[in-house]
Amino acid sequence: GDSVTQMEGPVTLSEEAFLTINCTYTATGYPSLFWYVQYPGEGLQLLLKATKADDKGSNKGFEATYRKETTSFHLEKGSVQVSDSAVYFCALSVGIGKLIFGQGTELSVKP
Amino acid sequence: ETGVTQTPRHLVMGMTNKKSLKCEQHLGHNAMYWYKQSAKKPLELMFVYNFKEQTENNSVPSRFSPECPNSSHLFLHLHTLQPEDSALYLCASSPSSGSYNEQFFGPGTRLTVL
Repeated sequence: GDSVTQMEGPVTLSEEAFLTINCTYTATGYPSLFWYVQYPGEGLQLLLKATKADDKGSNKGFEATYRKETTSFHLEKGSVQVSDSAVYFCALSVGIGKLIFGQGTELSVKP
Repeated sequence: ETGVTQTPRHLVMGMTNKKSLKCEQHLGHNAMYWYKQSAKKPLELMFVYNFKEQTENNSVPSRFSPECPNSSHLFLHLHTLQPEDSALYLCASSPSSGSYNEQFFGPGTRLTVL
């Protein structure tokens, strides 16, 4: 069945470090891919998305490229800030509004 | 109010109680969703409503009963819950239930079943 696998957290980085959170997926068909972020005490917010192969989603300095050949959608940011501390979820959608989420990766950025 | 709101934000209930969670979206969307978020587990889709019609029930126990009276409101009625039902319950909405549509989430209701 369709699934999403993320790297396990927590990930702890110093401010201004480079961030990569790996995400791979298994899906039939051609899914749309998403990264959501959840700040403490809040719901999920869409961070970025890509709807077809080779698309690059970007927002707030974060980027992810839809790689069909490696079935991956890794999240990257060149210089993280303390305010980026949150839980990040990779997700795919295969129609009828069904989002399948990874288990989430907690990021902690230290000053 | 803007976006997706959920009430209450926190709820503690006994196993014999009956309570309801409420979700309201102010975005003009036509699809609404209930998710369960438990510690150390991926988000689990529970129910999907599209234009007030239920289109997905992800094998959810009958002690959870959804209700969607219109496209702006979604309820989750709870009765005879178990301690393992303690979790964060998230509501979301989207323009429709198509695969390209971003889902907008509410802040969630933190439920504790004693």
